[in-house]
Amino acid sequence: KQEVTQIPAALSVPEGENLVLNCSFTDSAIYNLQWFRQDPGKGLTSLLLIQSSQREQTSGRLNASLDKSSGRSTLYIAASQPGDSATYLCAVRGAQKLVFGQGTRLTINP
Amino acid sequence: SQTIHQWPATLVQPVGSPLSLECTVEGTSNPNLYWYRQAAGRGLQLLFYSIGIGQISSEVPQNLSASRPQDRQFILSSKKLLLSDSGFYLCAWSEGLAGGPTSTDTQYFGPGTRLTVL
Repeated sequence: KQEVTQIPAALSVPEGENLVLNCSFTDSAIYNLQWFRQDPGKGLTSLLLIQSSQREQTSGRLNASLDKSSGRSTLYIAASQPGDSATYLCAVRGAQKLVFGQGTRLTINP
Repeated sequence: SQTIHQWPATLVQPVGSPLSLECTVEGTSNPNLYWYRQAAGRGLQLLFYSIGIGQISSEVPQNLSASRPQDRQFILSSKKLLLSDSGFYLCAWSEGLAGGPTSTDTQYFGPGTRLTVL
């Protein structure tokens, strides 16, 4: 059974800092890994999707990496802004479904 | 462009009452559809998914059921709600016939329904 863990559960940093969010998974037989953003009381917004054959994906100030063999992914956020405050979820896709981590709640302080 | 709708946005129901949550998708055809629940302090849990009309797969045994009466409509129901059914319910869709390591099957989520059972 696939298990996804995100550490830390919460993170608070000053504006302008670069930061890394971590995601680990127990079963390396995945099709892809996604990073999502969730604002309080809202649905999820897909940020980046990395296929199992890829090592990283970039979108603007976001960069996600995938090391399938070690069961790890990181989301790097450059030059953080208060608008980046949200909960960030990673999810790995198996045969038919996504398995989600519990998320990292990120707060960027002005 | 594709959009996904959920209603109602919030719902407060007494224990033992019935439930019907609706999700509709626009701008695509034959999507894969999903119902998730996000309970306080817990991650997203997949409840049901559907790859076509009338085709429903249940992920966990529970007090809920799902139906897909039309291609782009997905309904979550219960005959009698329990306190433990409280949570944030999210509907999602992905491109139909997607699968395998080369698919770009990003899931797109609706705005969610906050259900409180008292």
